[in-house]
Amino acid sequence: QKEVEQDPGPLSVPEGAIVSLNCTYSNSAFQYFMWYRQYSRKGPELLMYTYSSGNKEDGRFTAQVDKSSKYISLFIRDSQPSDSATYLCAMSAESNSGYALNFGKGTSLLVTP
Amino acid sequence: DADVTQTPRNRITKTGKRIMLECSQTKGHDRMYWYRQDPGLGLRLIYYSFDVKDINKGEISDGYSVSRQAQAKFSLSLESAIPNQTALYFCATSDFRGFSYGYTFGSGTRLTVV
Repeated sequence: QKEVEQDPGPLSVPEGAIVSLNCTYSNSAFQYFMWYRQYSRKGPELLMYTYSSGNKEDGRFTAQVDKSSKYISLFIRDSQPSDSATYLCAMSAESNSGYALNFGKGTSLLVTP
Repeated sequence: DADVTQTPRNRITKTGKRIMLECSQTKGHDRMYWYRQDPGLGLRLIYYSFDVKDINKGEISDGYSVSRQAQAKFSLSLESAIPNQTALYFCATSDFRGFSYGYTFGSGTRLTVV
């Protein structure tokens, strides 16, 4: 079983909808959680990062971590066609050695006008 | 200019050929990584380097080699390319806080082996 699971989608929503993207994980040592956005033919770009449990908000985006359930979410409010991309979650344990980031496979999102 | 630059952007090569993908960065980061991305498989780590004298294998290093020529340059070689190495290849960089603050990725090299 892979340490990070993410539904690949595709997820299609109308413009203005609230989008919920999720990942589950199995390693209880994970402390740092990130979301990347990847447009077609581009590299992933870091969207948000959080530490431990709780919520973090940045404009239309909210990242939520529930460590008790080993579940993280990214919410996008008032979704726009420009949000159409693949979203990857990534997470790591508290370690300064080794390549600690573990990526989900990504969820493809399409926001239709 | 991009923080992490990969060349070439696209490449078609024949089976058995040696090919090198190059990566350079202006972030001043010590740590550099090579990933490949395949549909349905996500990002998989090939090699990583924490400084010029440090090279480490990732999940899928067989058939690949790397060279860290300088702090800013990290190249990936396919010694004898095969069709199942057709993929999107990404270089990424981070400082020592990469495990908490994430990586910066290049725009990728689309490699096709025929």
